[in-house]
Amino acid sequence: DQQVKQNSPSLSVQEGRISILNCDYTNSMFDYFLWYKKYPAEGPTFLISISSIKDKNEDGRFTVFLNKSAKHLSLHIVPSQPGDSAVYFCAASPNFGNEKLTFGTGTRLTIIP
Amino acid sequence: DADVTQTPRNRITKTGKRIMLECSQTKGHDRMYWYRQDPGLGLQLIYYSFDVKDINKGEISDGYSVSRQAQAKFSLSLESAIPNQTALYFCATSDGARTGSGELFFGEGSRLTVL
Repeated sequence: DQQVKQNSPSLSVQEGRISILNCDYTNSMFDYFLWYKKYPAEGPTFLISISSIKDKNEDGRFTVFLNKSAKHLSLHIVPSQPGDSAVYFCAASPNFGNEKLTFGTGTRLTIIP
Repeated sequence: DADVTQTPRNRITKTGKRIMLECSQTKGHDRMYWYRQDPGLGLQLIYYSFDVKDINKGEISDGYSVSRQAQAKFSLSLESAIPNQTALYFCATSDGARTGSGELFFGEGSRLTVL
């Protein structure tokens, strides 16, 4: 049973436009959410996180939105750049500091120059 | 040099062979993890350790064992490898959310193929 779902395996976006990556979860015990970015032949790297007490967290070009009632979060990248081309994983945890993360299946983002 | 180093990076082996994947870290973190990535399944937790004397099973520990030889070293063993253990394996560390956003720091991965 996939508790964290990323229903779009891939996404292509024009450079300079907004990229929106979506993630849904089913476990209501999840309280803390993270996004990781992965380039080929490298390990995932942390991008941004959000606690369930917030509905938005922003860090430069990256913003994560959380809709707890819908059990949905999204990552917005504005403006998209070629270096953003990577696989993005959504992950969830029962609480901040609990690193037993449940990962989604990933979305491959391709930025078209 | 990478903060979290995995060896080997690539390994091809045969069914029934014993395989060890090693992980070492220079981040000074207490907590270490082994994850497995399969196409279409994301990353799944195999084992984790919160300190040298602490070992815990994750979601998919069957067929695997681990050893925490020191704070900086955490190895994953496949006692008798089988083809469905063909996957990309990641080691990760964390500081238990004492600093930062409580995130994991991953190694570059070890690709294992079992024929």
